[in-house]
Amino acid sequence: AQSVTQPDIHITVSEGASLELRCNYSYGATPYLFWYVQSPGQGLQLLLKYFSGDTLVQGIKGFEAEFKRSQSSFNLRKPSVHWSDAAEYFCAVGADSGYSTLTFGKGTMLLVSP
Amino acid sequence: KAGVTQTPRYLIKTRGQQVTLSCSPISGHRSVSWYQQTPGQGLQFLFEYFSETQRNKGNFPGRFSGRQFSNSRSEMNVSTLELGDSALYLCASSLLAGDGYNEQFFGPGTRLTVL
Repeated sequence: AQSVTQPDIHITVSEGASLELRCNYSYGATPYLFWYVQSPGQGLQLLLKYFSGDTLVQGIKGFEAEFKRSQSSFNLRKPSVHWSDAAEYFCAVGADSGYSTLTFGKGTMLLVSP
Repeated sequence: KAGVTQTPRYLIKTRGQQVTLSCSPISGHRSVSWYQQTPGQGLQFLFEYFSETQRNKGNFPGRFSGRQFSNSRSEMNVSTLELGDSALYLCASSLLAGDGYNEQFFGPGTRLTVL
């Protein structure tokens, strides 16, 4: 069964500083990987996804993520954080099984300090 | 194109009652999945429906059930509510459940509070 680990529950970053959120997955085959963001009281918004091809993927709001098969990682990065980026971020893996089921990590809460 | 809609957005119930939540997928999407989000357990998969049939089910008790209608709209029902059922219930739709992964699009969720 697949699993996702986000080792950091909370991260605080100064506005304008760079950001990296960690995600490790466990899955036997090539995974479908996603990063979602959730603002308080809201649903999930897709930031970016990796299905195949180029291992560095670009997303919305200036985010990018790099798939590293050797490390089973899919870390999310942003070069300069804005106060509006404060939210909870979820990494997820989807299985190539004909279903659409996603397995989520526990999430990382990003706090942005002035 | 309209996104996934969920009704109601907020709901307050008491223990022992039952509740029905509704989800309307993106037009043309045939698969609907439900997830429960709680602070302690995070996001957990409940079930997936495709063409009115439950295709996949998560590890939840039988009090949690669902169905899908011919227009792909879906409902989930929770009977005999417990305090621990308080959660944000998210619905997601995808275009077609077939070979390979089908990207899911999430609705805003229904916030259920059980008193």
